[in-house]
Amino acid sequence: EAGVTQSPTHLIKTRGQQATLRCSPISGHTSVYWYQQALGLGLQFLLWYDEGEERNRGNFPPRFSGRQFPNYSSELNVNALELEDSALYLCASSRTGQTNTEAFFGQGTRLTVV
Amino acid sequence: AQRVTQPEKLLSVFKGAPVELKCNYSYSGSPELFWYVQYSRQRLQLLLRHISRESIKGFTADLNKGETSFHLKKPFAQEEDSAMYYCAFYNNAGNMLTFGGGTRLMVKP
Repeated sequence: EAGVTQSPTHLIKTRGQQATLRCSPISGHTSVYWYQQALGLGLQFLLWYDEGEERNRGNFPPRFSGRQFPNYSSELNVNALELEDSALYLCASSRTGQTNTEAFFGQGTRLTVV
Repeated sequence: AQRVTQPEKLLSVFKGAPVELKCNYSYSGSPELFWYVQYSRQRLQLLLRHISRESIKGFTADLNKGETSFHLKKPFAQEEDSAMYYCAFYNNAGNMLTFGGGTRLMVKP
């Protein structure tokens, strides 16, 4: 069974540009989560999608947005990039939106803003 | 505020020594707590969850509601336990998996 896949692996953008990160969940999983892992700050929750709808978002500005497609894959868009957006962005998927369901993580996309 | 705190960024022990990675949470409801682990060059993965009361790779974790803690313990550390460990919990309201800052465990030979 294929795991959660993220693309691209690395992304370099300049300040002010937009970045699009992609995530394909494990087959059968309907929930997708996005996290930001900035240096020294641990994992910060960004967004949760389930069945195509945004269910919850973390404490991030509106320029962080995303969507979930009918096949449950997801995109994270970051507009007007700032230097401090440089981080590892992790995607995770789970079988349902229920609690106590194990979340499976992708390898991440390393975004560098210069 | 709902928060998970891992006070130690780095924990270094010798092989065979006991290990305790600390985790404290701040949540007024009944949390569901987990430990995730990230080995070098591998993806983050679930190690154990509190409701299962299981022991995985010799690790155990007990939920202490009085102290709001969920410390991860292992009586005899192995070199292959060296990794980054994250404590996490679901808040029932938002189904948001909240992570602590992580503790890097280094087990020296």
